[in-house]
Amino acid sequence: GENVEQHPSTLSVQEGDSAVIKCTYSDSASNYFPWYKQELGKGPQLIIDIRSNVGEKKDQRIAVTLNKTAKHFSLHITETQPEDSAVYFCAASPDSSYKLIFGSGTRLLVRP
Amino acid sequence: SAVISQKPSRDICQRGTSLTIQCQVDSQVTMMFWYRQQPGQSLTLIATANQGSEATYESGFVIDKFPISRPNLTFSTLTVSNMSPEDSSIYLCSAGGHQDSYGYTFGSGTRLTVV
Repeated sequence: GENVEQHPSTLSVQEGDSAVIKCTYSDSASNYFPWYKQELGKGPQLIIDIRSNVGEKKDQRIAVTLNKTAKHFSLHITETQPEDSAVYFCAASPDSSYKLIFGSGTRLLVRP
Repeated sequence: SAVISQKPSRDICQRGTSLTIQCQVDSQVTMMFWYRQQPGQSLTLIATANQGSEATYESGFVIDKFPISRPNLTFSTLTVSNMSPEDSSIYLCSAGGHQDSYGYTFGSGTRLTVV
């Protein structure tokens, strides 16, 4: 089955700097890769996703890149703000099952 | 995007009892799932809730412990049976699919404490 690894586990950046979180997956059949933001006491919130027929997707300050050959994808947050502080999860999903397999999470702290 | 209502939001239960968690989606969805999240940890998939048939459980989770129902395309329940302190966790409902433009949405979770 699918296995997703996520790095780093914690990330501290200065406000205005960029943050990059990386994930690798094992199942070449996976073709859907969402990123979630989870704030304390809340459920995960989808912030961006990418499908395997696209190499990059951008939404304002957030972008995701996908390298299918290397089986890794990354989340890029530019011009970070204190409200970006949260736990971020990557996930991968194959068409065959549609279930999401999550990475271990990254706790992002944006220092004012 | 789909909106999920999950209840209860939290509960404290006695060991040996059972708790049923409800998940209501505001629109018909293809897929519904149940996850468990230990504090400070990632999400672990318990099972896929199949409409009109038995749920599909992941390794380490069994129907006797976590019976799941999905009577229609907008509603599902998860029961945590014969609870022990080890079942204390956050339980999350999710709905959607790749083919849906909004991806997968999550409920706000049920924080369960077993004493």
